[in-house]
Amino acid sequence: AQSVTQLGSHVSVSEGALVLLRCNYSSSVPPYLFWYVQYPNQGLQLLLKYTTGATLVKGINGFEAEFKKSETSFHLTKPSAHMSDAAEYFCAVSKVQGGSEKLVFGKGTKLTVNP
Amino acid sequence: EPEVTQTPSHQVTQMGQEVILRCVPISNHLYFYWYRQILGQKVEFLVSFYNNEISEKSEIFDDQFSVERPDGSNFTLKIRSTKLEDSAMYFCASSYDREQFFGPGTRLTVL
Repeated sequence: AQSVTQLGSHVSVSEGALVLLRCNYSSSVPPYLFWYVQYPNQGLQLLLKYTTGATLVKGINGFEAEFKKSETSFHLTKPSAHMSDAAEYFCAVSKVQGGSEKLVFGKGTKLTVNP
Repeated sequence: EPEVTQTPSHQVTQMGQEVILRCVPISNHLYFYWYRQILGQKVEFLVSFYNNEISEKSEIFDDQFSVERPDGSNFTLKIRSTKLEDSAMYFCASSYDREQFFGPGTRLTVL
């Protein structure tokens, strides 16, 4: 079975500081990995995804994540936080096989950006 | 830009009542999903649907739940007899390949 662990349910950074949100996954087959962002009272928006190929993936709003197979990690980073980045971030995994594949989500990390 | 839409945005119902949550997936998508998020908890998979049948369902998706794609555009989730613990945000998602696009959700409150 697949699972996702997000370390830190709450992360607080200052505006302009580095954002690092941690995600570790467990999967018996090669994974597809995703980061979604959820703003208050809104749905889930895809930030970025890793499927195959380059292990450093860039997403929207200046975020990027690196797939490290040896560490089973897919941490999300942004060099400089902006107030508008305040939201909840979810890491998710699905299997690399078949077509219809469920996403397994982590518990989420709520990011607070302080002025 | 095409998007997944869901109605209603908020549904309040009495315990034991039936509810139908509606979704309009992106038009050329082939795979359809329902997820739920109980307040303060993680997003959980309920069911996936492809080629007019359920392709996978979770243990949450018991006999009280059903899904339907009645007319080629709508995708519905029915809860036959709601329980207090069904109170949650329900998200519909659709995909063409591996990237799932989520709707804004329906907040279901069971009293």
